[in-house]
Amino acid sequence: KQEVTQIPAALSVPEGENLVLNCSFTDSAIYNLQWFRQDPGKGLTSLLLIQSSQREQTSGRLNASLDKSSGRSTLYIAASQPGDSATYLCAVILRYNFNKFYFGSGTKLNVKP
Amino acid sequence: SQTIHQWPATLVQPVGSPLSLECTVEGTSNPNLYWYRQAAGRGLQLLFYSVGIGQISSEVPQNLSASRPQDRQFILSSKKLLLSDSGFYLCAWSTNRGLDQPQHFGDGTRLSIL
Repeated sequence: KQEVTQIPAALSVPEGENLVLNCSFTDSAIYNLQWFRQDPGKGLTSLLLIQSSQREQTSGRLNASLDKSSGRSTLYIAASQPGDSATYLCAVILRYNFNKFYFGSGTKLNVKP
Repeated sequence: SQTIHQWPATLVQPVGSPLSLECTVEGTSNPNLYWYRQAAGRGLQLLFYSVGIGQISSEVPQNLSASRPQDRQFILSSKKLLLSDSGFYLCAWSTNRGLDQPQHFGDGTRLSIL
């Protein structure tokens, strides 16, 4: 069974810092991995999707990497801003279990002005 | 452009009452549709998904059911709510063109059972 773990559970940083969020998964037979952002009481916003054949994806100040062999993905946020404060979730889809996302429990980020 | 709507945004229901949450998608046809639940302090759990009208797959045994009466409508229901049904319910859609399509989520419904 696939298990997805996110570390740390919570993170508080001053504005302007570069930071890294971690996601690990136990079953390396993934099809893709997706990073989401969730604001309090809101739905999810998709940030980046990495195919299993890719090693990283970039969008603005965000960079996500994927290392299937070690079962890890990282989300790098450059020059953090207070508006980045949210919970960040990673999720994987397995090759042999179509349509099912396995989600981590998230990292709650607080960027202080 | 495609949009997804969920309602209501919040709901307070007594134990034993029925439930109906609705989700609709606009701007696309024959989407894959999903219901997730996020319990307090826990990650998202897939409850149901549907690849077409009348086609429902259940991921976990529970007190809830889902239906897809129309192509872009997905309904989550219960005949008698339990305290354990409290949580944040999210509907999502994706295109059916392959596994490399991201899922897009609605704003969610916060359900509190008293």
